Amino acid sequence: DAGVTQSPTHLIKTRGQHVTLRCSPISGHKSVSWYQQVLGQGPQFIFQYYEKEERGRGNFPDRFSARQFPNYSSELNVNALLLGDSALYLCASSLTETQYFGPGTRLLVL
Amino acid sequence: DQQVKQNSPSLSVQEGRISILNCDYTNSMFDYFLWYKKYPAEGPTFLISISSIKDKNEDGRFTVFLNKSAKHLSLHIVPSQPGDSAVYFCAAEVQGAQKLVFGQGTRLTINP
Repeated sequence: DAGVTQSPTHLIKTRGQHVTLRCSPISGHKSVSWYQQVLGQGPQFIFQYYEKEERGRGNFPDRFSARQFPNYSSELNVNALLLGDSALYLCASSLTETQYFGPGTRLLVL
Repeated sequence: DQQVKQNSPSLSVQEGRISILNCDYTNSMFDYFLWYKKYPAEGPTFLISISSIKDKNEDGRFTVFLNKSAKHLSLHIVPSQPGDSAVYFCAAEVQGAQKLVFGQGTRLTINP
């Protein structure tokens, strides 16, 4: 069975640009969550979507937005990129309580 | 406000011995706890979980212990193997919220 997939794997952007990251959940999983992990820290919760509705939002500015599609895949969008947005962005999907993570997208903002 | 803490940034254990990783939490609303293992350039891999209605859960070489009164959980790996070398994250949530709160991680190194 395929796990959670994310694209792209790596991305380099400049300050002020916007970025779209994509995630495909494990087949049958309807919940998708996004996390940001900066170097030396644990992942931080950004969003959770279930059945295309936002069910939770972490302490991130409005520059961060997301959506979930009818096939349960999801996109994370970040506008007006800052240097501090450089991080590993992780997507996780779940059927019940346990969340399963994808490999992440490493974003570098110059 | 660090609600989940892993106070040991690193741990070194000899192959074949027991590895014990510790985690403390402050939010008494947390009722579901998980451990993840992370290799460089990969996403976290789920290892084992425990609900607050239990105080122990085992899966092969991995055992998680939960002490609710102390707000403390630990992961025991026995016997430790070289492939266990990775960063281990403790995570907690209010069941159903689907919002994991992670600790800072502990880098475990298994020496031959």
